[in-house]
Amino acid sequence: DAGITQSPRHKVTETGTPVTLRCHQTENHRYMYWYRQDPGHGLRLIHYSYGVKDTDKGEVSDGYSVSRSKTEDFLLTLESATSSQTSVYFCAISERWDGEQYFGPGTRLTVT
Amino acid sequence: QKEVEQNSGPLSVPEGAIASLNCTYSDRGSQSFFWYRQYSGKSPELIMSIYSNGDKEDGRFTAQLNKASQYVSLLIRDSQPSDSATYLCAVGANTGNQFYFGTGTSLTVIP
Repeated sequence: DAGITQSPRHKVTETGTPVTLRCHQTENHRYMYWYRQDPGHGLRLIHYSYGVKDTDKGEVSDGYSVSRSKTEDFLLTLESATSSQTSVYFCAISERWDGEQYFGPGTRLTVT
Repeated sequence: QKEVEQNSGPLSVPEGAIASLNCTYSDRGSQSFFWYRQYSGKSPELIMSIYSNGDKEDGRFTAQLNKASQYVSLLIRDSQPSDSATYLCAVGANTGNQFYFGTGTSLTVIP
């Protein structure tokens, strides 16, 4: 998985609780992305980062926030989890803004 | 209209045949195009990237791009059962910094 790890790999949480997912890379790539994947919708971009402390919203950013304080770490936070956020979350990295993206192993999140 | 459209399939081909996967996109200014393979329960794995019109070959895989017609395709020659997976088309946004993914085409290669 191109030097990308995600933690936790599986999580079950209750509605209304905060959840933080972590993506860690050892490739020193500038760009990092968070996607969610749901049946019928494919991969959808939540947020992305183009450098330390530089982030921007994707197409499904409502209810999510991100932070990147170091090149290697990109955190995704669900401030108050809802059942609609049950999904598989993938982190991806890229060297260039228009370059290939490489994906981490994913986190399966279930909100009950 | 979705940014990226793929036939969901499923597509079935016999072992040794050519599998053809197609993708159309709506952003005429897109300049980068990618094919990913995803096995069930796994993360997407990059197969090919293509940036210029024409064909690009890598082993048994050939990506074809036609920007005027706004389509990109993937041919898999000598298909193997291990090629059975969902294939995702991704298109770089004209504004940069993000991809749009299709919902994927499920391919089954029958031994």
